[in-house]
Amino acid sequence: SQTIHQWPATLVQPVGSPLSLECTVEGTSNPNLYWYRQAAGRGLQLLFYSVGIGQISSEVPQNLSASRPQDRQFILSSKKLLLSDSGFYLCAWSRAGVNTGELFFGEGSRLTVL
Amino acid sequence: AQSVTQLDSQVPVFEEAPVELRCNYSSSVSVYLFWYVQYPNQGLQLLLKYLSGSTLVKGINGFEAEFNKSQTSFHLRKPSVHISDTAEYFCAGYGTALIFGKGTTLSVSS
Repeated sequence: SQTIHQWPATLVQPVGSPLSLECTVEGTSNPNLYWYRQAAGRGLQLLFYSVGIGQISSEVPQNLSASRPQDRQFILSSKKLLLSDSGFYLCAWSRAGVNTGELFFGEGSRLTVL
Repeated sequence: AQSVTQLDSQVPVFEEAPVELRCNYSSSVSVYLFWYVQYPNQGLQLLLKYLSGSTLVKGINGFEAEFNKSQTSFHLRKPSVHISDTAEYFCAGYGTALIFGKGTTLSVSS
């Protein structure tokens, strides 16, 4: 069966510090991968998605970036965090070639920027 | 423009009462529709999905939803809720990407 894991689960960082959130998927090949952000009291905002290694599409301009160094690994990064980067970050995957939109989510990473 | 609208941000109900969480989608969103549930500090879990076929879809935990094309709605229902159903519920529809509503907080009290 397929599993998705992301870490760390919680993170408290000062403004201006770097960020790295990691997500890995097991049990499937060539998944589509996604990073969403969920701010307090808001819905889910799609940040990045990837259909293959090294292929990243950005949905929202910001100081965050994403990379996919391996087929089942997706990394969210920032060189300098802002207060507004605080939120709950969710990684998700979907099956390649299946265009129904069904996503499978990780457990989430809560980032607090102070 | 593609959009999914959840008509209620908060729905408080008593235990064992019926509940309906309302969701409307824009006609530009395809007819692939989903309801996800999110418990505190957790990721989203698929509750049910409509891809094709019967317009009444049954999901986990006793929830069901009805796809209504003429009203562009996909309302979620449960005949009798439990305390453990307290969570955030998200409706989503697939256009060129999965579009989420802003969520409905279901609060079940005794």
